[in-house]
Amino acid sequence: SYVLTQPPSVSVAPGQTARITCGGNNIGNKGLHWYRQKPGQAPVLVIYYDRDRPSGIPERFSGSNSGNTATLTISRVEAGDEADYYCQVWDSDTDHVIFGGGTMLTVL
Amino acid sequence: QVQLQESGPGLVKPSETLSLTCTVSGGSISSSNYYWGWIRQPPGKGLEWVGSIYFSGYTYYNPSLQSRVTMSVDTSKKQFSLKQTSVTAADTAVYYCARGYCTSTSCRSWGYYFDYWGQGTLVTVSS
Repeated sequence: SYVLTQPPSVSVAPGQTARITCGGNNIGNKGLHWYRQKPGQAPVLVIYYDRDRPSGIPERFSGSNSGNTATLTISRVEAGDEADYYCQVWDSDTDHVIFGGGTMLTVL
Repeated sequence: QVQLQESGPGLVKPSETLSLTCTVSGGSISSSNYYWGWIRQPPGKGLEWVGSIYFSGYTYYNPSLQSRVTMSVDTSKKQFSLKQTSVTAADTAVYYCARGYCTSTSCRSWGYYFDYWGQGTLVTVSS
């Protein structure tokens, strides 16, 4: 089955740029989505289809997807960005949804 | 504004059946753009897709749970449901329902993403 691999944690200072990766075999050929989850809350979609932002998500959030790695980039990181971030794809071979293991973003 | 609300028992005994319902408000349940999903999260762990159901009733299940999971949809009540049999402590989790969305052009090529989520409901499996 298809596997998505994320680093368990990423740390960044306020005002800097955070990059969270999501690895998978030829992931660049799939639609990749990102969710943010704060403690005790439901996940929130922050990027869909690699690079599109839902309304209400700041322009500081951007995404890219190529080859075997997708990246969520958060510019000018704020304390409020501290959360767990999950990537997700739909596997066209099986019609199954797959989530990455999640990355905890810590703002120093 | 679309809203989803999970409902069902918060405590289930081992070997029994977990039953949850998700009620959709503020939007249609019967659009060809929507897949209705269940996602769970064990305490302190990551998200795990349980399964999805299309408005027509076609279902897709996580292969690791497929033998124990059944999903159904009642479009007249704007509800979809999850039944999971033979539960164990490993099934203890927050269960979220969510709306999966894709367009007619993206569904078959890129699949769907979950744009609206319920608040989640904690289901504990314990005697």
